[in-house]
Amino acid sequence: QQQVKQSPQSLIVQKGGISIINCAYENTAFDYFPWYQQFPGKGPALLIAIRPDVSEKKEGRFTISFNKSAKQFSLHIMDSQPGDSATYFCAAISSGNTPLVFGKGTRLSVIA
Amino acid sequence: DGGITQSPKYLFRKEGQNVTLSCEQNLNHDAMYWYRQDPGQGLRLIYYSQIVNDFQKGDIAEGYSVSREKKESFPLTVTSAQKNPTAFYLCASSLYSEAFFGQGTRLTVV
Repeated sequence: QQQVKQSPQSLIVQKGGISIINCAYENTAFDYFPWYQQFPGKGPALLIAIRPDVSEKKEGRFTISFNKSAKQFSLHIMDSQPGDSATYFCAAISSGNTPLVFGKGTRLSVIA
Repeated sequence: DGGITQSPKYLFRKEGQNVTLSCEQNLNHDAMYWYRQDPGQGLRLIYYSQIVNDFQKGDIAEGYSVSREKKESFPLTVTSAQKNPTAFYLCASSLYSEAFFGQGTRLTVV
């Protein structure tokens, strides 16, 4: 049973456009929602994260929107650049050193 | 320079062989994890350890084994019982909720 569902599987965006990736979760015990960015042949790197007590968090061009009642959260990449082309994973975790549960990833391609 | 070091970067295994992937961290994190990544499958949890000398099976533990004798080290052995071991293997460690990943080991069966 997949606990975090991510969409779309792949995304093509024009340079300067907005990239939007969505995730939905089932377990209401989750209390930390990070996004990871992965380039080919590399390990994922933490990009931005949010806790459910806030509805939005912004860091530079990256914004997480969080809807607790709908159990959904999304990543928005403003002014998308070719260097943003990577695979993005949403994840969720409940408190403590329990393992992260990952979505299946979105492959983003930003074209000039 | 703190971080997680995985070695080797590339590993080739013959049929019927056991191989061990190394993962070392100097972040002083209690918890460590092994994930397997296949195209279109995301990251699937193999094993995790929250404290030295203790570890738990993840979703796809069959054909794998681990040990956690030291806080810094969490090696993964891919045994001959793992029928489809070709994949990208990622090690991670965490303090509370924030997890950090190594650069991965790509294992190929030849």
